[in-house]
Amino acid sequence: AQSVAQPEDQVNVAEGNPLTVKCTYSVSGNPYLFWYVQYPNRGLQFLLKYITGDNLVKGSYGFEAEFNKSQTSFHLKKPSALVSDSALYFCAVRGPSAGTASKLTFGTGTRLQVTL
Amino acid sequence: DAGVIQSPRHEVTEMGQEVTLRCKPISGHDYLFWYRQTMMRGLELLIYFNNNVPIDDSGMPEDRFSAKMPNASFSTLKIQPSEPRDSAVYFCASSPSSGQGSKNIQYFGAGTRLSVL
Repeated sequence: AQSVAQPEDQVNVAEGNPLTVKCTYSVSGNPYLFWYVQYPNRGLQFLLKYITGDNLVKGSYGFEAEFNKSQTSFHLKKPSALVSDSALYFCAVRGPSAGTASKLTFGTGTRLQVTL
Repeated sequence: DAGVIQSPRHEVTEMGQEVTLRCKPISGHDYLFWYRQTMMRGLELLIYFNNNVPIDDSGMPEDRFSAKMPNASFSTLKIQPSEPRDSAVYFCASSPSSGQGSKNIQYFGAGTRLSVL
């Protein structure tokens, strides 16, 4: 079975500072990893994904994530946080053998609060 | 493309009533997913379809829930009879099985907020 852990319910960062939202995963085989963001009263929006290749993945809105196979982690990062980045962030995983687009397992979400 | 379209955006009903939620996936996407989001349980996958065929409905909570996909551009999630514990935000998402950039990405609708009184 595949699973995702987001150990922090909330992350607080001052605007302009770097941010990190943590994610660890468990899956058989090479993982497909995703980050999504959810703004209030909206659906989830795709930010970035790792399938294969470079361990550092760049995505939307200046976000990036680093895949670390030995630590089974896929932490989301941004060099300089904005107040507008405040939202709920979800990490998700699926295994390579689950079909071309079948189900993702989502984490419980981490609320990012960026303050002035 | 307008994205995944869900209707209604809000639904308030009384316990025991039938509720039907609707979803129009992105054209060309051959996977469709129904999720439920609550504070207590987070985001749960209820069921998903591939080419209009249900593939995995193990997340459907009980027989009161049913989902259909009569064609590639429309799906419904029905709750009959509804109960207060069904109150949640229900999301529909679609995904393509091919495409250089979009493959494996799920695109979510804005959701339907259901309140069962």
